Amino acid sequence: QVQLQESGPGLVKPSETLSLTCTVSGGSISSYYWSWIRQPPGKGLEWIGYIYYSGSTNYNPSLKSRVTISVDTSKNQFSLKLSSVTAADTAVYYCARINNYYMDVWGKGTTVTVSS
Amino acid sequence: NFMLTQPHSVSESPGKTVTFSCTRSSGSIASNYVQWYQQRPGSAPTTVIYEDNQRPSGVPGRFSGSIDGSSNSASLTISGLKTEDEADYYCQSYDSSNQWVFGGGTKLTVL
Repeated sequence: QVQLQESGPGLVKPSETLSLTCTVSGGSISSYYWSWIRQPPGKGLEWIGYIYYSGSTNYNPSLKSRVTISVDTSKNQFSLKLSSVTAADTAVYYCARINNYYMDVWGKGTTVTVSS
Repeated sequence: NFMLTQPHSVSESPGKTVTFSCTRSSGSIASNYVQWYQQRPGSAPTTVIYEDNQRPSGVPGRFSGSIDGSSNSASLTISGLKTEDEADYYCQSYDSSNQWVFGGGTKLTVL
């Protein structure tokens, strides 16, 4: 059974770059799209973007100028970088697998706080 | 880009049936599949409906989805409500540029 695990710093300073990695276990990263989603405290879900295992990407226009999603098939991992962070980027960040048009496997989420 | 609008909250009693709406602001609701996710407090979301009306394995038949072109909206219906159904429910769809959008979510309280 495929499982996803987010990892990365839980605290990031304003103006710096948030970096997270999602490790895929129990299955291959190949032949699927993989996505990042976030949820600010007490708020709803926001789609950040997705990447195909081959490397093609698609980003939320509201975040596009600051987001980079990459994939490392040798490590069965994909990553998120969000630059120039502010307090508004404080959220739980989830990674998920896209199966056709829906996210069928989710990580448990990791909390990232932006604060000095 | 488009928006998906959901009511903020819904309350219903155990054993009853509840229906959530999800209205698309622009573009046809029928043009792109709608998904529904359940999120219990402190947990990651899970899929309860995909491709408008399909249930993943393990999701009870009490959950059903539909779309209505006349109101440009999608609906999630839960029948025979149980206390364990208390959660936030999010609809999600996408557009022709594969921009994905979530609705704001509906908080279900089972009294």
